[in-house]
Amino acid sequence: AQKITQTQPGMFVQEKEAVTLDCTYDTSDPSYGLFWYKQPSSGEMIFLIYQGSYDQQNATEGRYSLNFQKARKSANLVISASQLGDSAMYFCAMREGVDSSYKLIFGSGTRLLVRP
Amino acid sequence: KAGVTQTPRYLIKTRGQQVTLSCSPISGHRSVSWYQQTPGQGLQFLFEYFSETQRNKGNFPGRFSGRQFSNSRSEMNVSTLELGDSALYLCASSTGQGASGELFFGEGSRLTVL
Repeated sequence: AQKITQTQPGMFVQEKEAVTLDCTYDTSDPSYGLFWYKQPSSGEMIFLIYQGSYDQQNATEGRYSLNFQKARKSANLVISASQLGDSAMYFCAMREGVDSSYKLIFGSGTRLLVRP
Repeated sequence: KAGVTQTPRYLIKTRGQQVTLSCSPISGHRSVSWYQQTPGQGLQFLFEYFSETQRNKGNFPGRFSGRQFSNSRSEMNVSTLELGDSALYLCASSTGQGASGELFFGEGSRLTVL
């Protein structure tokens, strides 16, 4: 079974509007971390935001926020006020365990296109 | 602060050859992990090194190997290349400790096997 599921292969959003990218995960480990990365066409993976399983509040980083619903095992990324430069692939990823190695499990990604 | 540096950025090899890719992590980072990205399989974990020791390994054949040096720089090697090894190989650097340690990625090495 997939551990990270991103059900939206592609999405469009109008410039300056908000967009939500979906991510659900599956783990039996009570300690885990959830990440979102952006990958532009250049290939580099750019870290956006992190949410720990024990964090009480939803993570926010500038225009990015993570809608963390632990009971539903979802960790959706919300991008507010979309910009043309936000057009890229977005990956949700999970790291299981606190003391385990730094191994990330990635979803299949969502390609976001921002329309002017 | 310099980011993660991967070399070479692009390379073309033929089947049966071998290739070595290099990754220089962010200064002070002791963990280096490698990922393979293909259109069909997506992003898959290859292995992670921490203080010169392999700490975890993904589900790849033995043709894929790696090592880490005392300065934390890492190399990965693929022997007897196959067409399916064509991919973007990404290296990620981290402190290697702590629950919320984020991974910083390089721009990748794009390998084409003909």
